[in-house]
Amino acid sequence: EADIYQTPRYLVIGTGKKITLECSQTMGHDKMYWYQQDPGMELHLIHYSYGVNSTEKGDLSSESTVSRIRTEHFPLTLESARPSHTSQYLCASSDPPNGRGFSGYTFGSGTRLTVV
Amino acid sequence: AQSVTQLDSQVPVFEEAPVELRCNYSSSVSVYLFWYVQYPNQGLQLLLKYLSGSTLVKGINGFEAEFNKSQTSFHLRKPSVHISDTAEYFCAVSDLADSWGKLQFGAGTQVVVTP
Repeated sequence: EADIYQTPRYLVIGTGKKITLECSQTMGHDKMYWYQQDPGMELHLIHYSYGVNSTEKGDLSSESTVSRIRTEHFPLTLESARPSHTSQYLCASSDPPNGRGFSGYTFGSGTRLTVV
Repeated sequence: AQSVTQLDSQVPVFEEAPVELRCNYSSSVSVYLFWYVQYPNQGLQLLLKYLSGSTLVKGINGFEAEFNKSQTSFHLRKPSVHISDTAEYFCAVSDLADSWGKLQFGAGTQVVVTP
């Protein structure tokens, strides 16, 4: 049973539309991440958050924006979708290492976005 | 910052044959190490992790990995693969000095198992 949920799983949308990709986790993790991944390719970190009202840009520049108003929710928004935004978007969350160990990241199932 | 090198972008292997996926990281500082698997159109799933202790780590689905500090490597192995092991495999590293536990991922290795 997934503890981190992404919706929608698949989205086909026209150029110029505004879209929001949803990501929610039920584990109470402070840290959340968005990755962009083309099929069969490496992961590129585009946004991350270390807690409520904290958001940072990742290693890969992206025209998307994120918000973190609640701990469990980390949506990603594209104001005007373009074909170059076609990709898979993966959300992840984690807790920091502590005396009990470190579990690494938990990933959602991803949203495959196609902009036509 | 750490960098992670997965030496093979694609590994073809026959069913029931062994497979080894190689992973090297850049720094000899103390690290946490992970292997993730990604099936088509899915997110990443944790296969195994090394935090401390025994250098041979066993994971799910019959996979194991060996941590070698002197060679800064964390190679993944399976003695006999199944068709269902066809997937993308990612190695990831986190510095113990990073209190946030940020992971650095390798570029991935595509494993293709054929009958």
